[in-house]
Amino acid sequence: AQSVTQPDIHITVSEGASLELRCNYSYGATPYLFWYVQSPGQGLQLLLKYFSGDTLVQGIKGFEAEFKRSQSSFNLRKPSVHWSDAAEYFCAVGAGAGGYQKVTFGIGTKLQVIP
Amino acid sequence: GAVVSQHPSRVICKSGTSVKIECRSLDFQATTMFWYRQFPKKSLMLMATSNEGSKATYEQGVEKDKFLINHASLTLSTLTVTSAHPEDSSFYICSARDPPRTAARTDTQYFGPGTRLTVL
Repeated sequence: AQSVTQPDIHITVSEGASLELRCNYSYGATPYLFWYVQSPGQGLQLLLKYFSGDTLVQGIKGFEAEFKRSQSSFNLRKPSVHWSDAAEYFCAVGAGAGGYQKVTFGIGTKLQVIP
Repeated sequence: GAVVSQHPSRVICKSGTSVKIECRSLDFQATTMFWYRQFPKKSLMLMATSNEGSKATYEQGVEKDKFLINHASLTLSTLTVTSAHPEDSSFYICSARDPPRTAARTDTQYFGPGTRLTVL
């Protein structure tokens, strides 16, 4: 069965600092990997996804993630965070057609941005 | 991008009553919709996969008779929580799959804003 681990439940960074959110997955084949962001009271918004090809994936809002098969990781990065990035971030792994048939989410990492 | 709406956004009901939550894809036809439940400080849990015109596929441990799912059209899926109890209080999120329209595209999943259910 597939699973996702986000080891950091809560992270605090200063505005302008760099950010890395960790994600490790378990899946038997080549995974479909996603990062979503959820703001308070809002639905999930897709930041980026990896299906195949280049292991460094660019997303929206200046985020990127790197797929490392040897480490079973898909860490999310941003070089300079903005106060508006404060939200909860979910890593997910998918299976099936297009990767969306059975998406398993991590527990989430809550990002706090301080001035 | 594509939009998925949910109605209501928040509902409070008495124990023993039934509550219906609607999920609509506003600008695309979704043959497949998904229903998730999000517990406080926990991840989203997939409850069921809803395919238009057929019975929903429920995940292990999810009671079919408790959580009734209907996907009668390509733009609407409903989740009915029957005989709700306080332990059913949760945040329910739907998503809709927008299939690829060309061979070059992959399909995409869009999430609704969620429905906060509180059962007294």
